[in-house]
Amino acid sequence: DAGITQSPRHKVTETGTPVTLRCHQTENHRYMYWYRQDPGHGLRLIHYSYGVKDTDKGEVSDGYSVSRSKTEDFLLTLESATSSQTSVYFCASNGNMNTEAFFGQGTRLTVV
Amino acid sequence: AQSVAQPEDQVNVAEGNPLTVKCTYSVSGNPYLFWYVQYPNRGLQFLLKYITGDNLVKGSYGFEAEFNKSQTSFHLKKPSALVSDSALYFCAVRDPPESGGYNKLIFGAGTRLAVHP
Repeated sequence: DAGITQSPRHKVTETGTPVTLRCHQTENHRYMYWYRQDPGHGLRLIHYSYGVKDTDKGEVSDGYSVSRSKTEDFLLTLESATSSQTSVYFCASNGNMNTEAFFGQGTRLTVV
Repeated sequence: AQSVAQPEDQVNVAEGNPLTVKCTYSVSGNPYLFWYVQYPNRGLQFLLKYITGDNLVKGSYGFEAEFNKSQTSFHLKKPSALVSDSALYFCAVRDPPESGGYNKLIFGAGTRLAVHP
């Protein structure tokens, strides 16, 4: 399996607080993604990155920001967490257009 | 913008019977298509992909998928289902290079496959 890890794996936070999730990959992959998984909605793309400091919005980007200052790290920040952001968050990465993406194990975030 | 549809929330199959999980897509240009599987409390695992070439693609665990350009479909198939195939299956499509996109990868809503003994 590709070396891609997410931290933390579980987090409970209060409404209105900022939260940062980290994705770290050791494959030198150019492309990285953040998704959220909710019942009935499958995987929805939040933000993605096509290089260091190159990011773009996905389908459900409101309330989220990202940063990629190094190839190996892609951070997702919930600027002011809301209960609607309670979800399972997955990070993924891939090296080029023809290759499959590899996924992390997910982060279960609960906003109370 | 690209999109993916998985029209069935759940597919039920008896063990030993063939299975099909449906996927249709919409992209500008030639599609890059993928199937993934998710077991409970796990991340997604890659099954197979279509980039170019033969329309019938073979992948992991005996799965295959048929690319049909005229019907814009990429259905997942297996000749003989196993109980252990029970899981959540996702179809995905990537922006083709000619679209000028940046490798954005979009998933369908998922189909739950239940294989009964």
